[in-house]
Amino acid sequence: AQKVTQAQTEISVVEKEDVTLDCVYETRDTTYYLFWYKQPPSGELVFLIRRNSFDEQNEISGRYSWNFQKSTSSFNFTITASQVVDSAVYFCALRAEGAQKLVFGQGTRLTINP
Amino acid sequence: GAGVSQSPSNKVTEKGKDVELRCDPISGHTALYWYRQSLGQGLEFLIYFQGNSAPDKSGLPSDRFSAERTGGSVSTLTIQRTQQEDSAVYLCASRGRLSYNEQFFGPGTRLTVL
Repeated sequence: AQKVTQAQTEISVVEKEDVTLDCVYETRDTTYYLFWYKQPPSGELVFLIRRNSFDEQNEISGRYSWNFQKSTSSFNFTITASQVVDSAVYFCALRAEGAQKLVFGQGTRLTINP
Repeated sequence: GAGVSQSPSNKVTEKGKDVELRCDPISGHTALYWYRQSLGQGLEFLIYFQGNSAPDKSGLPSDRFSAERTGGSVSTLTIQRTQQEDSAVYLCASRGRLSYNEQFFGPGTRLTVL
């Protein structure tokens, strides 16, 4: 069985601060895919990134960066110099190779205050 | 290009009535998913369609729920004899041909059962 844990239910920071959203996963599969999605107040889930289990390279996209560590089963997401528009609920998700459904964490509600 | 679309965006119904929710996936996407997002349960997988294969219905919560996908494109999720606990946002997602592709989500249908 797969499981995704986002221990941080809510985070509130002041604009321009850096913030890291934690994601820990459990799976027995050797091949799997990890995802981050953003759900702004409008409600639509927006895809941010996919990471394959065999690729542990960290990734940076503008102010966003992701740290994938298989040794600790973690896939953390950092926003640098946060902005008010980053306010949303962020979901980490896991899909095992051969499985079809995404298993989501409970989400972290991020509020960026001006 | 058009993303995943869902209709209606909001649906209010009375307990015991049947409802139909529609999803139009991204053109060319072979895989289609339904998820449910509710306060108490987070994001839950409901059903998955891939081409002409038999759907994976393992996430459907009861036999009151059913779904079909006509012509490999549009999908309809039907809930019969709705109950108050069916109130949630129903999300549809589609995915491209490759198994590791990310899923793209529609805006959802907010269902309220009175």
